[in-house]
Amino acid sequence: EVQLEEFGGGLVQPGGSLRLSCVASGFTFSNFWLHWVRQTPGKGLEWVADIKKAGIDEYYAGSVKGRFTISRDNARNSVWLQMNSLRAEDTAVYYCARDLSGSGSLDFWGRGTMVTVSS
Amino acid sequence: HSALTQPASVSGSPGQSITISCTGSSSDIGDYNLVSWYQQHPGKVPKLIIYEVTKRPSGVSFRFSGSKSGNTASLTISGLQAEDEADYYCCSYENTRIEYVFGPGTKVTVL
Repeated sequence: EVQLEEFGGGLVQPGGSLRLSCVASGFTFSNFWLHWVRQTPGKGLEWVADIKKAGIDEYYAGSVKGRFTISRDNARNSVWLQMNSLRAEDTAVYYCARDLSGSGSLDFWGRGTMVTVSS
Repeated sequence: HSALTQPASVSGSPGQSITISCTGSSSDIGDYNLVSWYQQHPGKVPKLIIYEVTKRPSGVSFRFSGSKSGNTASLTISGLQAEDEADYYCCSYENTRIEYVFGPGTKVTVL
């Protein structure tokens, strides 16, 4: 069974940092691109970042570029999102998701982890 | 501000067909067949129901279908059922910013 589980959310002050983790199981992790997507409670979805299979190429939404870094370790079936210089508008549930075909088709999602940026 | 536009809400009676539009530009929907659709019930995780414009993942009902014309993609739900009441989001690759963009979402109500 394909599973993704996120860890690391919490309350952080503006300007602070947080590192989210996502651990995968039930599939060959190294064969898939991975994404982070966020959702403000009661609002819509926002794509955050993705990383290719080998972890060499990464892409970011303009709203997080230069502040967030996505990385992965295929030996540990894990993907991370390092979030720096956090702002109130980064408050959201953060999901990691698997890309079915390398085309932005997110076929499995974790349950999400809540990040709250507030003083 | 989303680069894609969707109607805020669409409604229909059981058994009817409804169509949700997702309008973008030549930089996203118009230039790539990288449109996906997600269904999200309240308090639940988004579920992929259509990918690469027209493809249905294994296990998704045949009642869901996707299409594209120019800069607009569409999701059609035929034989509307009570369980289809949910939020639906489109998503497309966008080539000027090299990122994926989601539409604002459409709330489907089954009357």
